[in-house]
Amino acid sequence: DTAVSQTPKYLVTQMGNDKSIKCEQNLGHDTMYWYKQDSKKFLKIMFSYNNKELIINETVPNRFSPKSPDKAHLNLHINSLELGDSAVYFCASSQRGGGYEQYFGPGTRLTVT
Amino acid sequence: SQKIEQNSEALNIQEGKTATLTCNYTNYSPAYLQWYRQDPGRGPVFLLLIRENEKEKRKERLKVTFDTTLKQSLFHITASQPADSATYLCATNRDDKIIFGKGTRLHILP
Repeated sequence: DTAVSQTPKYLVTQMGNDKSIKCEQNLGHDTMYWYKQDSKKFLKIMFSYNNKELIINETVPNRFSPKSPDKAHLNLHINSLELGDSAVYFCASSQRGGGYEQYFGPGTRLTVT
Repeated sequence: SQKIEQNSEALNIQEGKTATLTCNYTNYSPAYLQWYRQDPGRGPVFLLLIRENEKEKRKERLKVTFDTTLKQSLFHITASQPADSATYLCATNRDDKIIFGKGTRLHILP
């Protein structure tokens, strides 16, 4: 049973397109996150949701919009994709925010051409 | 500014020896430190968490220490094996957020 799943695993698209990445967790956790890992492998938080409510919104362009239809799902929609958006995007969840271990999905490798 | 740093980008250790990885933080006092393992093409996997009032935590061959005087956490793998080769990330809280270090790539040489 996959704890945190993401789709798609790979996404290749052209500049200017709009795309979505979906994330689901079956752990019953209250908090979900989106991270971006760039080519230098630096993992940086983008958003955090707690029970469908936005908790953390790091300095991320408005083109990125998370949506949480319920506490088991957190999707990421990206408008007007740019070359610099190419990275691996990880979804994660934790029992609650703060000092709880996080469970990560397998990642979505986004390539913008 | 608040920072978390893993000084070694890469570390080579002979099989059977103890691997020690370092995580330093500056300009704040974290409530906890976490360590994760990341294999190529996969998401990070949680290993250990140590809180500020704990000096040491162990799990099988893994040991983590937290020294608030030195502002440092050490992560040890004893009796290292080639299967321990991976990138290891430390993470901690900054306000309500969790921040990650850049990771140390550990290579266990057979």
